[in-house]
Amino acid sequence: SQQGEEDPQALSIQEGENATMNCSYKTSINNLQWYRQNSGRGLVHLILIRSNEREKHSGRLRVTLDTSKKSSSLLITASRAADTASYFCAKDFGNEKLTFGTGTRLTIIP
Amino acid sequence: KAGVTQTPRYLIKTRGQQVTLSCSPISGHRSVSWYQQTPGQGLQFLFEYFSETQRNKGNFPGRFSGRQFSNSRSEMNVSTLELGDSALYLCASSLALGGAVEAFFGQGTRLTVV
Repeated sequence: SQQGEEDPQALSIQEGENATMNCSYKTSINNLQWYRQNSGRGLVHLILIRSNEREKHSGRLRVTLDTSKKSSSLLITASRAADTASYFCAKDFGNEKLTFGTGTRLTIIP
Repeated sequence: KAGVTQTPRYLIKTRGQQVTLSCSPISGHRSVSWYQQTPGQGLQFLFEYFSETQRNKGNFPGRFSGRQFSNSRSEMNVSTLELGDSALYLCASSLALGGAVEAFFGQGTRLTVV
């Protein structure tokens, strides 16, 4: 399967700490996106990183992409209670659709 | 500008019935995708439409179907509902097909089959 995995499945950290989530895949990608989903609601786009990019930043978010290892990571720095959500990576394998993983459930403990 | 609108937000149906869900994309977006989300399964791709044509279909039985209208609004239909069809159905719109641009999601329709 092209999908790969996200890990960890769940992560709990103290407010103020950094959170890192990982996404792996098995076949080459054109682009990779990260999304956030608050409980039972729609997904919100965070960052899109293209296969020729290695790192992108957006506020407290940092995404890296290592195409040789077929993996990406999302780092949230100085976490806040409002960051509690599920985070998904979505891979663009060039087949005109996004393929989502099962996500990482992040809980920030106040 | 208005976001992606899905109706209804909640739905309870009986096994064996059929259901139609609606999605109004962001104005100007011609691509609409549908996903099924169940606990532990992540988002499973159902289908994608672009300019009224189905461009991609996921691995779901024929009971799941969809269409897109000339104004880019989309509907999906599930016939002969099964208990396992209970899920959050999400619709997303974007300017183009695939993953080169961001997708904008609606709030979803939560379908419960009893």
